[in-house]
Amino acid sequence: NAGVTQTPKFQVLKTGQSMTLQCAQDMNHEYMSWYRQDPGMGLRLIHYSVGAGITDQGEVPNGYNVSRSTTEDFPLRLLSAAPSQTSVYFCASSYSGASYSYNEQFFGPGTRLTVL
Amino acid sequence: GENVEQHPSTLSVQEGDSAVIKCTYSDSASNYFPWYKQELGKRPQLIIDIRSNVGEKKDQRIAVTLNKTAKHFSLHITETQPEDSAVYFCAASLSNTGNQFYFGTGTSLTVIP
Repeated sequence: NAGVTQTPKFQVLKTGQSMTLQCAQDMNHEYMSWYRQDPGMGLRLIHYSVGAGITDQGEVPNGYNVSRSTTEDFPLRLLSAAPSQTSVYFCASSYSGASYSYNEQFFGPGTRLTVL
Repeated sequence: GENVEQHPSTLSVQEGDSAVIKCTYSDSASNYFPWYKQELGKRPQLIIDIRSNVGEKKDQRIAVTLNKTAKHFSLHITETQPEDSAVYFCAASLSNTGNQFYFGTGTSLTVIP
């Protein structure tokens, strides 16, 4: 049981480049989410999904796209990277609030992204 | 949406002393309040949580209290040890909205040996 995995661990992009951050979980969790973590700002929700085929925006969705074609995978796409997207990105998963009342979110190891 | 405020942003204590971190939330419908610990370069990990039908919960040296009327909750760490040094995040969630968590901005705790 690998839990939540993320790739890559580190990435450097130039302004305007695109890339996809990968996230996968093997716990059959319905709920998956992406956060960015910036110094002094905590964890801010980018996008989330309550199940395959269903995604929605969080607090800071601009500049990011997501899709959820399977229960296991939830990739985050940056279409045209900007320096303001330099951050540490965490993926998390949990059982859905629909099937469990309260649920721990399990975090992946994070991706440190630098946009030059 | 929900707004979670966390204080203090930094906290230094002597080993063996207690540490208290406080959070407030704005949405009275929030009903789940987890606390996460994040060591340098690592992922956040759940250390304790509390639900809105409980006023206090304790797990060894860690305790959390919840005041629903005042909309605030606190983390208490007793007999602090150097390995408690980390960043601590509080969060609030309304469980029936698909587990959207709203995090505080974090408290950097340093335990001085």
